[in-house]
Amino acid sequence: EVQLVESGGGLVQPGRSLRLSCAASGFTFDDYAMHWVRQAPGKGLEWVSGISWNSGSIGYADSVKGRFTISRDNAKNSLYLQMNSLRAEDTALYYCAKLEVGAHTFDYWGQGTLVTVSS
Amino acid sequence: DIVMTQSPDSLAVSLGERATINCKSSQSVLYSSNNKNYLAWYQQKPGQPPKLLIYWASTRESGVPDRFSGSGSGTDFTLTISSLQAEDVAVYYCQQYYSTPLMYTFGQGTKLEIK
Repeated sequence: EVQLVESGGGLVQPGRSLRLSCAASGFTFDDYAMHWVRQAPGKGLEWVSGISWNSGSIGYADSVKGRFTISRDNAKNSLYLQMNSLRAEDTALYYCAKLEVGAHTFDYWGQGTLVTVSS
Repeated sequence: DIVMTQSPDSLAVSLGERATINCKSSQSVLYSSNNKNYLAWYQQKPGQPPKLLIYWASTRESGVPDRFSGSGSGTDFTLTISSLQAEDVAVYYCQQYYSTPLMYTFGQGTKLEIK
């Protein structure tokens, strides 16, 4: 059974940093691209960032480019999101999602970890 | 940037009736290399992560009931629920993929309720 478990969220002041983690199991992690998608409270879904199986291809939404860094450790079956210079508008539930590469869809999602940016 | 616009924002349909949700992309999501539309539909119930329903615009994900269907090509797409069930109450999102630059965009969501 595929499982994605996010961690690392919490309350953080504007301008500070936070690192999210996603622990994957139930599939061959290093065969798949992985992504972060966020959802602000009461709002819709926003793609944040994605990384290919070998970290050779990485992409970011314009809203986080230059502030967030995605990475992965295939030996640990883990995905990360380093978030710097956090803003109030980064407040959201952050989901880790597995990419189904053929159709470029997100076929498995974690339950999310909540990041709140507030003074 | 590609913008995905869903209509309506909310919809109330009687049980057993048809529900139709539209999604319009600001650019074509049809890839001529393989004639595939990179358009997906997701269902999100309260307190849950999204669930993939449809990919390549019209292919149902394994386990998705056949009352859910997708259609369209290029820039205009539709999700249809042929006979609404109580468990279909949710927010529905369309999503596109763009290769260069790497980008995935969701529509704003359509809230489906029972009339």
